Amino acid sequence: GENVEQHPSTLSVQEGDSAVIKCTYSDSASNYFPWYKQELGKGPQLIIDIRSNVGEKKDQRIAVTLNKTAKHFSLHITETQPEDSAVYFCAAKRGYSTLTFGKGTMLLVSP
Amino acid sequence: ETGVTQTPRHLVMGMTNKKSLKCEQHLGHNAMYWYKQSAKKPLELMFVYNFKEQTENNSVPSRFSPECPNSSHLFLHLHTLQPEDSALYLCASSLPSDRSTDTQYFGPGTRLTVL
Repeated sequence: GENVEQHPSTLSVQEGDSAVIKCTYSDSASNYFPWYKQELGKGPQLIIDIRSNVGEKKDQRIAVTLNKTAKHFSLHITETQPEDSAVYFCAAKRGYSTLTFGKGTMLLVSP
Repeated sequence: ETGVTQTPRHLVMGMTNKKSLKCEQHLGHNAMYWYKQSAKKPLELMFVYNFKEQTENNSVPSRFSPECPNSSHLFLHLHTLQPEDSALYLCASSLPSDRSTDTQYFGPGTRLTVL
């Protein structure tokens, strides 16, 4: 089955800096890659996703890049703000299978 | 709010108790999921229901018993749990999971503590 590795497990940045979280996946047939943000006391919320037919997608301060050859994808957050502090999860999915999640990255943005 | 609600938000139970977790979605979805979230572990998929039919059971112990009476409601019945079952239990919903892009929407979870 699919295996998703996520790094780092914890990331501390200063407000205004950029943050990058990386994930690798094992199944070359995976074609859907969502990112979720989980704030304290809440369930994970989808923030951006990318499909295998594109290499990059951007939504304001958030972007995701996908390298199918290397089987990795990354989340980029620019101009970080304290409210970006949360746990971020990547996930991968092949066709009609269910999502496989990474272990999560705790992002801490200091004012 | 994501349109997925869960009750109760917190639950403390002894190992001999029987309790149930409830999930309701108001998004018109046809697939519902139960996940277990423990510290320092990936989200663990427990059960998947499509159109009220269970389509996936990831080797979950029988002390967890799901029920899906309709596409909007999902229950997780608990009995004779173990302390290691303490975790956050998350419900999610999506369009049918046999689609290639089933974006899942999560509820806030139930924090379960087994004494």
